[in-house]
Amino acid sequence: GAVVSQHPSRVICKSGTSVKIECRSLDFQATTMFWYRQFPKQSLMLMATSNEGSKATYEQGVEKDKFLINHASLTLSTLTVTSAHPEDSSFYICSAALEGGGIYNEQFFGPGTRLTVL
Amino acid sequence: SQELEQSPQSLIVQEGKNLTINCTSSKTLYGLYWYKQKYGEGLIFLMMLQKGGEEKSHEKITAKLDEKKQQSSLHITASQPSHAGIYLCGSVGTYKYIFGTGTRLKVLA
Repeated sequence: GAVVSQHPSRVICKSGTSVKIECRSLDFQATTMFWYRQFPKQSLMLMATSNEGSKATYEQGVEKDKFLINHASLTLSTLTVTSAHPEDSSFYICSAALEGGGIYNEQFFGPGTRLTVL
Repeated sequence: SQELEQSPQSLIVQEGKNLTINCTSSKTLYGLYWYKQKYGEGLIFLMMLQKGGEEKSHEKITAKLDEKKQQSSLHITASQPSHAGIYLCGSVGTYKYIFGTGTRLKVLA
């Protein structure tokens, strides 16, 4: 149980286009989902916390207009990288906490999405 | 804000050797998670430690939590090439989940 999927696993796009990444909890409901970014040879950095039915909470330094997060249901959160540029190329990972939990509940991680912006 | 520092940053060991990875917190630890990540892939949950002095084992991997030292250690016995990857500790910081700096492990056959 507690499986989280991400789609797509890899995406290559041209500079200036927008890319949407989906994060789904397959067998549980997730009130809270988290989006992380990982640069090569570095650890994961929390970008934002996504709560179902409300606006996401962004970490300091993360542009909310650049990285649009929508948590429309208890099983789906999306991250849209708008007007992508080469510096947005990275590995994006989402995680989900069980319903009713938040950061104090164990998180289940998706397999990640590698974004390459040409 | 709380930070998790891992040591060493990278490690190369010969197959069959034992090794230890440490995760030190700048603040009190309320639970500590260990994950493994293969390059370019998602995180694999290894184990969770919640109480001071707690020790858990899974196959050849053992993790301990020392609350007084605000530290956790991950020990691999008789390492194998399949153990290679990035090991990350994680914990609940102030209002958010945080990850350690990571340890890259390479096991030579």
